Amino acid sequence: GQQLNQSPQSMFIQEGEDVSMNCTSSSIFNTWLWYKQDPGEGPVLLIALYKAGELTSNGRLTAQFGITRKDSFLNISASIPSDVGIYFCAGSAGAGSYQLTFGKGTKLSVIP
Amino acid sequence: SAVISQKPSRDICQRGTSLTIQCQVDSQVTMMFWYRQQPGQSLTLIATANQGSEATYESGFVIDKFPISRPNLTFSTLTVSNMSPEDSSIYLCSPRAGSGAQYFGPGTRLLVL
Repeated sequence: GQQLNQSPQSMFIQEGEDVSMNCTSSSIFNTWLWYKQDPGEGPVLLIALYKAGELTSNGRLTAQFGITRKDSFLNISASIPSDVGIYFCAGSAGAGSYQLTFGKGTKLSVIP
Repeated sequence: SAVISQKPSRDICQRGTSLTIQCQVDSQVTMMFWYRQQPGQSLTLIATANQGSEATYESGFVIDKFPISRPNLTFSTLTVSNMSPEDSSIYLCSPRAGSGAQYFGPGTRLLVL
């Protein structure tokens, strides 16, 4: 089945630093989604990507849909303490299949 | 995005019992997904529930263990049957929007003793 490799697994960064995380797939996806999950909460959708090469921003967050359709990255600029949480990438192959495959998550810790 | 609520938000149950989790969406959605998130893990799809048809289960999940109802386009239930400690997880419903974006409910935290 499809697999997503998400890296890094965890990050400790200083407040104000930029963050980058990525996901790679063994197969092609038609949709990439990035979520953030806080403790005790459900995942919250941050950015959705639908076209190869697409670059989309949401405030300090920027995500890109890789041109090969097998990868995506998420950047967070000027991190703040509330950025702490677990970030998940998810992909959908589409073409009638809407199930999402999730990465294992990147746990982000921000040091004030 | 849709407003999604789940009940209960958490529960502690005895092994061998069953728990039904409710998911309510404030708008009509065609596709509803149910996920499980085991402690410290990522999300795993249990089944896809479309209104008016039988739910489709992923490998490793069966209808007898996780029966699902989808009586209308705004509501769905997932039952965790004959529970064991291995069923301790967060269970999340996830409606799919027409735009292709997929949102998640707040989750139901289940602990089975």
